[in-house]
Amino acid sequence: QVQLQESGPGLVKPSETLSLTCTVSGASISSDYWGWIRQPPGRGLEWIGHIYNSGSTKYNPSLKSRVTISEDTSKNQFSLKLTSVTAADTAVYYCARHSYGIGLGSWGQGTLVTVSS
Amino acid sequence: DIQMTQSPSTLSASVGDRVTITCRASQSIDSWLAWYQQKPGKAPKLLIYKASSLQSGVPSRFSGSGSGTEFTLTISSLQPDDLATYYCQQYSGHWTFGQGSKVEIK
Repeated sequence: QVQLQESGPGLVKPSETLSLTCTVSGASISSDYWGWIRQPPGRGLEWIGHIYNSGSTKYNPSLKSRVTISEDTSKNQFSLKLTSVTAADTAVYYCARHSYGIGLGSWGQGTLVTVSS
Repeated sequence: DIQMTQSPSTLSASVGDRVTITCRASQSIDSWLAWYQQKPGKAPKLLIYKASSLQSGVPSRFSGSGSGTEFTLTISSLQPDDLATYYCQQYSGHWTFGQGSKVEIK
């Protein structure tokens, strides 16, 4: 069974960089698509971006200038960096696996990141 | 980019009712559409993929239909456990989620 686990600081200061890592077990990140999705408190889901094909990436155009998603296949992890954060970036951040054509079938439990001084 | 519009944003129905949620894409996405159920404090759960394929383990009262730009999620007989928010998601290139439909039990 595929398991995903987000890790990283729960509090980030405004203007700094949010960094999260997703550790995957039960599947190799060298195949399928691996994404980041966030959900501000009380609001809906927002796709941030995903990585696939050994390093190819796609990003939400509204966040593209601030987002980098990368992978470390030796650790079976992929990571999110979001620069110049503001309070609007406060959200639960999820990592998830998308099998081709099937959708996001596996999710991490989510981690709340608060942007505050 | 492709926009997804879901309706209604909230609905209230009785146990046993048939419930339908609609999702409209701003351009054709063929059948590259998924539906998710999210309960409070939990990660979303995949219900339907490729517009109409039922994910393994999901009760058969859930079904999906549509192609192109118009899609529906139907719960044939609403159960108390179905209290949740439902999201559509297109995965034709970039990904986009609908704004969600909250299902309440009368």
